Amino acid sequence: GEQVEQRPPHLSVREGDSAIIICTYTDSATAYFSWYKQEAGAGLQLLMSVLSNVDRKEEQGLTVLLNKKDKRLSLNLTAAHPGDSAVYFCAVSAASSGSWQLIFGSGTQLTVMP
Amino acid sequence: NAGVIQTPRHKVTGKGQEATLWCEPISGHSAVFWYRQTIVQGLEFLTYFRNQAPIDDSGMPKERFSAQMPNQSHSTLKIQSTQPQDSAVYLCASSSLSQNTLYFGAGTRLSVL
Repeated sequence: GEQVEQRPPHLSVREGDSAIIICTYTDSATAYFSWYKQEAGAGLQLLMSVLSNVDRKEEQGLTVLLNKKDKRLSLNLTAAHPGDSAVYFCAVSAASSGSWQLIFGSGTQLTVMP
Repeated sequence: NAGVIQTPRHKVTGKGQEATLWCEPISGHSAVFWYRQTIVQGLEFLTYFRNQAPIDDSGMPKERFSAQMPNQSHSTLKIQSTQPQDSAVYLCASSSLSQNTLYFGAGTRLSVL
């Protein structure tokens, strides 16, 4: 079945720097890709999602890149600020009509220092 | 829109007791998912309903765990004879059938003493 690896597990950056988180997946049929943010004691908040026909998507200081050849998904937070400190998860699925199960990465604890 | 509502937020049970966790999906969403989150295992898929019917329960432990969706406004996850290893945050999510986006509740933290 699908295997998702996420790195790094921990990431510390200074305020204003960029932070990049990477996930790799194994199933070439994977068609739906998403990033979630989890703050302490809270559920998962969807940040951005893309389908497999999208290579790049930018929204509000976030950039998602999808490299289907290398089966790699990345999240780039440009100009990070302390409020971005949280755990970030990638999640993928085959997204066929009957396959809704999201497979999550192991998470990245991001700390943004003032 | 209140989002996905999970109750209780925290539940403490003694070993061997039963625990029932509740989820109210977003109104109009036809798909409901349950996940379990632990430090060691991360986020694990448990089960999924579509239009109240169980579609995929491949992640559910074979014993003691059961999930139901008796109507479109709520789902329950029941754990019988709870064990310390059941301690986790249980997350519920819902989605409309026209989207792949899952909206998560805040979770129920289950602690089995």
